[in-house]
Amino acid sequence: SYVLTQPPSVSVAPGKTARITCGGNNIGSKSVHWYQQKPGQAPVLVIYYDSDRPSGIPERFSGSNSGNTATLTISRVEAGDEADYYCQVWDSSSDHHWVFGGGTKLTVL
Amino acid sequence: EVQLVETGGGLIQPGGSLRLSCAASGFTVSSNYMSWVRQAPGKGLEWVSVIYSGGSTYYADSVKGRFTISRDNSKNTLYLQMNSLRAEDTAVYYCASLTGVAAAPIYFDYWGQGTLVTVSS
Repeated sequence: SYVLTQPPSVSVAPGKTARITCGGNNIGSKSVHWYQQKPGQAPVLVIYYDSDRPSGIPERFSGSNSGNTATLTISRVEAGDEADYYCQVWDSSSDHHWVFGGGTKLTVL
Repeated sequence: EVQLVETGGGLIQPGGSLRLSCAASGFTVSSNYMSWVRQAPGKGLEWVSVIYSGGSTYYADSVKGRFTISRDNSKNTLYLQMNSLRAEDTAVYYCASLTGVAAAPIYFDYWGQGTLVTVSS
């Protein structure tokens, strides 16, 4: 089955740019979706189809996907962005499976 | 406004059964792809099961043969019947809807708040 690899943690100072990666074999050929999850809360979609933002998500959140790495970029990081972030793909090569990365804890210093 | 509310979680002994419910409002369960996703304590997200608008169902290998997803259109409610429960099934279970281009089930757009299932003796 398809495997997505994320760094366990990323730290960034307020006002700086955070980049969270999601690695997978030829992931650039797939669509990647990103979720933010704050403690005790359900996940929230922040990026879909690599780089689209749902309504209500700040423009500070952006995404890209190429080769073997997809990236979630958060510009001008705020304290409220501290959360776990998960990437996800639909693995069409398996039996209707939706695959998540292991998650990255974003810490705002 | 779309709302998904899960109920039915609790403490259950290994080998036992439990049925989770997900009541929807502002949203028609039968017209959408609906899924269950779980999260073990301190761990990441794991897809569990999906039911398509046409009624087809699919399961993760870890629960195949033990869990059954279904829906009641008259109650606009999604279910997850969990049998032969194991300690490793302990998790928060979220119901979530799937969507995508051309209405394909690609990513999760709406999520419930989750319900905790604890399997322990």
